[in-house]
Amino acid sequence: DAGVIQSPRHEVTEMGQEVTLRCKPISGHDYLFWYRQTMMRGLELLIYFNNNVPIDDSGMPEDRFSAKMPNASFSTLKIQPSEPRDSAVYFCASSTYGGASGRENTGELFFGEGSRLTVL
Amino acid sequence: KQEVTQIPAALSVPEGENLVLNCSFTDSAIYNLQWFRQDPGKGLTSLLLIQSSQREQTSGRLNASLDKSSGRSTLYIAASQPGDSATYLCAVKAIEYGNKLVFGAGTILRVKS
Repeated sequence: DAGVIQSPRHEVTEMGQEVTLRCKPISGHDYLFWYRQTMMRGLELLIYFNNNVPIDDSGMPEDRFSAKMPNASFSTLKIQPSEPRDSAVYFCASSTYGGASGRENTGELFFGEGSRLTVL
Repeated sequence: KQEVTQIPAALSVPEGENLVLNCSFTDSAIYNLQWFRQDPGKGLTSLLLIQSSQREQTSGRLNASLDKSSGRSTLYIAASQPGDSATYLCAVKAIEYGNKLVFGAGTILRVKS
């Protein structure tokens, strides 16, 4: 399998512009996660989906951030309008269920290479 | 609240040494613990996943152990090589948080040739 694929790898934009980050999870994985990594705050979970349905978006910092998963093989994270403090590396990750009871999954998590966003 | 701590924050060793990275977590109610490696400018690569019912996992020169009752995991790297230089992160999937992984800050490892 090709792994989790993210695009673009690098994005430089000006404050106020709309940014769209894209992710293709590993085929057959039914969980998809969006993380943000900065030096100051480390890795932060923004939102995750199960079977294309958003389950928990409590990590989304503001209404300027939105995420969608229209089908099992594609997800987007959108920032509108972007601000300099949004500069970070955004990671997408996916996993299988893993077989635990309930909805919680114990599957191994696989990350994409990340999208480095710089907002000037 | 689940907190994950990694010690040391940074480590520099000569090539060939065996080394241990430590991870501790405050709440033993976990589904699993996962060790990752991150190279500069890259994503996280999964190294080992230990389910809560397991005590250890091995992959090549890597061995990870889990002691849930004491809230500790160790990653053992045998015969270290310069190519092992990277940041190593541990993360726990805490029952309290459902599907969310709680990450440690990482250990930056440098293996000198």
